[in-house]
Amino acid sequence: EDQVTQSPEALRLQEGESSSLNCSYTVSGLRGLFWYRQDPGKGPEFLFTLYSAGEEKEKERLKATLTKKESFLHITAPKPEDSATYLCAVKGGSSNTGKLIFGQGTTLQVKP
Amino acid sequence: EAGVAQSPRYKIIEKRQSVAFWCNPISGHATLYWYQQILGQGPKLLIQFQNNGVVDDSQLPKDRFSAERLKGVDSTLKIQPAKLEDSAVYLCASSRNEKLFFGSGTQLSVL
Repeated sequence: EDQVTQSPEALRLQEGESSSLNCSYTVSGLRGLFWYRQDPGKGPEFLFTLYSAGEEKEKERLKATLTKKESFLHITAPKPEDSATYLCAVKGGSSNTGKLIFGQGTTLQVKP
Repeated sequence: EAGVAQSPRYKIIEKRQSVAFWCNPISGHATLYWYQQILGQGPKLLIQFQNNGVVDDSQLPKDRFSAERLKGVDSTLKIQPAKLEDSAVYLCASSRNEKLFFGSGTQLSVL
């Protein structure tokens, strides 16, 4: 069964303090790993898709990386507006519909 | 480009009552999803439509949940009768290629 586990559950950073969020996954035949950002009271917003080990994607202060077992979301010099819940999801080959399996998320708080 | 529209924004009902949620996807998006997000958890897929056909409803509790997508555009999700454990945010999403676009959701409280 496809599974996604994110850690830590919650993370508090000072503005400018860089850190990483972890997403560990087990899936039969990875067809894509996705990162989403979710603000309170809103739906998830797409950030990145990664397809193969070694791939990296960047957007402003965020960089996502992928290995065969996990993905990291690196946040460099975060700002208070980066505070949100970050969700990781996988699309596995066992499902012919390609549905996404989400982790429980990491809630990030960046203090000024 | 208009986003995914959902209504109502909030709903409070008593257990055993019925409730319905509405979703209007982004124009031109053939695939529509309903997800359930319980507080502190990630979204869980309930049902996926491709145009007006169901492609995955394996995690939909069919004894109480139903969904339809008439004419391959708007969709409604219904719960009848509701249970306490149905309290959650119900998210609708539509997709073009690999990217899902989510609405803001309907927050359901069952008392």
